Amino acid sequence: GIQVEQSPPDLILQEGANSTLRCNFSDSVNNLQWFHQNPWGQLINLFYIPSGTKQNGRLSATTVATERYSLLYISSSQTTDSGVYFCAVKRGSTLGRLYFGRGTQLTVWP
Amino acid sequence: ETGVTQSPTHLIKTRGQQVTLRCSSQSGHNTVSWYQQALGQGPQFIFQYYREEENGRGNFPPRFSGLQFPNYSSELNVNALELDDSALYLCASSGGRGGGTGELFFGEGSRLTVL
Repeated sequence: GIQVEQSPPDLILQEGANSTLRCNFSDSVNNLQWFHQNPWGQLINLFYIPSGTKQNGRLSATTVATERYSLLYISSSQTTDSGVYFCAVKRGSTLGRLYFGRGTQLTVWP
Repeated sequence: ETGVTQSPTHLIKTRGQQVTLRCSSQSGHNTVSWYQQALGQGPQFIFQYYREEENGRGNFPPRFSGLQFPNYSSELNVNALELDDSALYLCASSGGRGGGTGELFFGEGSRLTVL
């Protein structure tokens, strides 16, 4: 399978700060998604970004597929951004198989 | 709101029992996959169903089995429950005409505790 490494494992910020989360993967992929897991366990889709750059409000993401990494940027952090952020990748034709990293636990203090 | 619904949300079983979890996929999606997430870990792929057949499986024993129905909803069955089966079980739907974009959408999960 594909190895997915996320860094940092833990991140503590004050409200208003900016942050960058990184995802490295070990092989070429044809799908990459970023998720935010809320306290109840649901995975919320942030970005579907196999390559290139996307922005959605205070969040943006960049995937450089040739170099096998993706970055998630969070600007002007809010307490509601707290939670676990997962990067997940897919390779090949098994449509529903994602390989997940272990996540970055983000805590934003007021 | 992803349109993927799971039931039950929480349940408690004892070792050796059997459990069935259910998932309704997002409208228009024809592929359902199941994941197990242990505490502090990322989700692990169990298997995927497409056109009512299993067509991809992760490293899980045969006591983990599933079904997909003609309306694309799905069940996950786990027999002979073990303590290590305690986890959050997540269902995801994807696909659609032409395979869709490949983006997966997850339900809220079923949290299983095995005593």
